[in-house]
Amino acid sequence: DIQMTQSPSTLSASVGDRVTISCRASQSISWWLAWYQQKPGKAPKLLIYKASTLESGVPSRFSGSGSGTEFTLTISGLQPDDFATYYCQQYNSYSRTFGQGTKVEIK
Amino acid sequence: EVQLVESGGGLVQPGGSLRLSCTASEFTFSSYWMSWVRQAPGKGLEWVANIKQDGSEKYYVDSMKGRFTVSRDNAKNSLYLQMNSLRAEDTAVYYCARGDSSAWDGTYDIWGQGTMVTVSS
Repeated sequence: DIQMTQSPSTLSASVGDRVTISCRASQSISWWLAWYQQKPGKAPKLLIYKASTLESGVPSRFSGSGSGTEFTLTISGLQPDDFATYYCQQYNSYSRTFGQGTKVEIK
Repeated sequence: EVQLVESGGGLVQPGGSLRLSCTASEFTFSSYWMSWVRQAPGKGLEWVANIKQDGSEKYYVDSMKGRFTVSRDNAKNSLYLQMNSLRAEDTAVYYCARGDSSAWDGTYDIWGQGTMVTVSS
């Protein structure tokens, strides 16, 4: 199975900050990467697919980049509603895998 | 409203079985790949299995192959997960999620609210 490794595991930030989360795949997955946001007690929400395509309705302060094995989720101007856990997910192989998650906390 | 609703979770003893269901509404269920994703308490997301639109292809995470079986009934707009030989480490919230409408399963844009499975004696 393809392993997905996110960093950092936890990130402390303030409202208005620019935040970057990294996701690394154990082998090339081309652009087949998605990002999800999850809040406590809720189902995940799709933010970005195909590494950099914003899902409909997702604010433009979210952006994704990368290809191959290295990917990044950036939040430009963190808002109170953005404090949550973020997961990357590869869908290049038959067996999908998620990263372990990055919790964005209030500083 | 496009919606997925899971049911069938509960408390089961180690070694036991449970069948989860997921009912879809307000979209053409038979046009989409469907998946199960689970989340152990306080842990991250773990992909479990998916099934193609017509049920002709099914894929599982290695650790659950042989114990879990995914199926669907398009006439009933329903997805299922049969879980056998359950272990304590299978304790989790199980989500169903809508995948892609193409020949290759993609990302998950619609999720259910989840159903809790607890494996304990």
